[in-house]
Amino acid sequence: GQNIDQPTEMTATEGAIVQINCTYQTSGFNGLFWYQQHAGEAPTFLSYNVLDGLEEKGRFSSFLSRSKGYSYLLLKELQMKDSASYLCAALDSNYQLIWGAGTKLIIKP
Amino acid sequence: GAVVSQHPSWVICKSGTSVKIECRSLDFQATTMFWYRQFPKQSLMLMATSNEGSKATYEQGVEKDKFLINHASLTLSTLTVTSAHPEDSSFYICSARDGGRDGSPLHFGNGTRLTVT
Repeated sequence: GQNIDQPTEMTATEGAIVQINCTYQTSGFNGLFWYQQHAGEAPTFLSYNVLDGLEEKGRFSSFLSRSKGYSYLLLKELQMKDSASYLCAALDSNYQLIWGAGTKLIIKP
Repeated sequence: GAVVSQHPSWVICKSGTSVKIECRSLDFQATTMFWYRQFPKQSLMLMATSNEGSKATYEQGVEKDKFLINHASLTLSTLTVTSAHPEDSSFYICSARDGGRDGSPLHFGNGTRLTVT
């Protein structure tokens, strides 16, 4: 079956760095997305990786290893507003999105 | 950037009534839109794929006669929750891809919080 695994919850300190991991098993693969979702709001797009390697966008970076079925989202210089759920989603061979359950990130002062 | 507008943001209705939720792509055409439901502290669950000019594709376990989807134009899809019950109370979110490119990101509407009393 198809499956996305990511930690349920993580805690980090303001100003620090945190890495949220995601492993996936899908029927075919056409890329991996990361979304941010604040409580009570809809998800917003953060990144898309389809090739191996690291993509950097300001304080956020996303990494993909297709051979390992693994991705991570790296958040630097954490701010309180980064407290949210981070959703990992893989695009399978039929271009259907398979969603992880999300990682709730708690930022402490 | 691509914007998806969803209306209403929240709605309270009585059990047995119907509620219509609209999803519009504001600056791009969307041949395909997606409807999700999210219960508290749970992940997004795809309900159905809305296809412009044809019938929607429903996920297993989603009642097509209860959740009516109409995708009448390239910029508008509607979800009608018919004969709503308290267990239908949830956060409903629509999304669409800009230009229908398969690798492009989904853009989400702001969601509709439905409460059925």
